[in-house]
Amino acid sequence: SQTIHQWPATLVQPVGSPLSLECTVEGTSNPNLYWYRQAAGRGLQLLFYSVGIGQISSEVPQNLSASRPQDRQFILSSKKLLLSDSGFYLCAWSPLSRGAQYFGPGTRLLVL
Amino acid sequence: SQQGEEDPQALSIQEGENATMNCSYKTSINNLQWYRQNSGRGLVHLILIRSNEREKHSGRLRVTLDTSKKSSSLLITASRAADTASYFCATDVTGNQFYFGTGTSLTVIP
Repeated sequence: SQTIHQWPATLVQPVGSPLSLECTVEGTSNPNLYWYRQAAGRGLQLLFYSVGIGQISSEVPQNLSASRPQDRQFILSSKKLLLSDSGFYLCAWSPLSRGAQYFGPGTRLLVL
Repeated sequence: SQQGEEDPQALSIQEGENATMNCSYKTSINNLQWYRQNSGRGLVHLILIRSNEREKHSGRLRVTLDTSKKSSSLLITASRAADTASYFCATDVTGNQFYFGTGTSLTVIP
């Protein structure tokens, strides 16, 4: 069966520090991968998606970047965090386009 | 914004009652999906309905889709306390981009 991992679960970082969140998927090949951010009490905002290694599409201009160095690994990064980067970050995968998405447990990021 | 909107924002019902929540969206879609999120957790996929389908069932869930009105509804029958969660609709616009609504917070009182 397929499993998606995200870490860390919680992260507290000072403003201006770098960020690296990692997401890995097990049990499937060539998944579509997604990064979302959820502000408190709000819906999900699509940040990045990837349909293959090295292929990243960005939804909104922001202080974040994403990379997909391996087929089942998706990394969210920032060189310098802002207060507004605080939120709940969710990684998801989909077995194919136009299909259901399966979410990881999320990382709660607090930038102080 | 292509993001959908759920209505109502919050819903409180007694156990055993039915819960209905609605989703409206703005653009043509490939499919529409409903997800559940328990507090502080990731989302769980509930059901997917394609643009050429009008109604779909899965256990106690019933989803309808009206593409002419750009709206969908999720009905949970015979609700249980364990159904307490936030429910989100997500529209698949391009096959790789999903736009989530703002969610309905459902509370089922035992």
